[in-house]
Amino acid sequence: AQSVSQHNHHVILSEAASLELGCNYSYGGTVNLFWYVQYPGQHLQLLLKYFSGDPLVKGIKGFEAEFIKSKFSFNLRKPSVQWSDTAEYFCAVNEASNTGKLIFGQGTTLQVKP
Amino acid sequence: GAGVSQTPSNKVTEKGKYVELRCDPISGHTALYWYRQSLGQGPEFLIYFQGTGAADDSGLPNDRFFAVRPEGSVSTLKIQRTERGDSAVYLCASSSQEGGELFFGEGSRLTVL
Repeated sequence: AQSVSQHNHHVILSEAASLELGCNYSYGGTVNLFWYVQYPGQHLQLLLKYFSGDPLVKGIKGFEAEFIKSKFSFNLRKPSVQWSDTAEYFCAVNEASNTGKLIFGQGTTLQVKP
Repeated sequence: GAGVSQTPSNKVTEKGKYVELRCDPISGHTALYWYRQSLGQGPEFLIYFQGTGAADDSGLPNDRFFAVRPEGSVSTLKIQRTERGDSAVYLCASSSQEGGELFFGEGSRLTVL
């Protein structure tokens, strides 16, 4: 069965530090990839997505992610985090043959210290 | 409405009782999704609808769980004979097309005593 792994469960950074959150998936076919974010007290919202084309995708608030097919990875990056980036981050994957079934990883809690 | 609306926001019930959770998607969104999220975990897929029909219900944990969307808009998730392990936040999301960006509601927190 398809699964998504996020290896960092809790990350603590100081402002201006660089961020990279890992995401790996287990499906060998064509996939679409997403990162969702949940800010404190808010609902889940889309940060960025990859369907095809340039494997380096840019999202909102300066986030980017790189799809590396050979490594089954879709890591999220940001060069310089801000206190307002404190949130929970979820990687998610669906199969191109069944795009309605979006599978989420267990999430990474990011805490940015001012 | 402006966003996905879920009611109730909180539900406390006793083991063995029947529970209904309602989701009102964004107007015009044809796809509707139910997820369950336990503390410290990511959202767990339950079922999604394309229009009135359940396109994939492979995530429903057992036959105590059932969901309907009779008119292709509002959906109800029904849980029979609730168990303590059903306690979680039940999330609903909708999208304008299957596989597109999911817009989530605030969730319904279910506590089974």
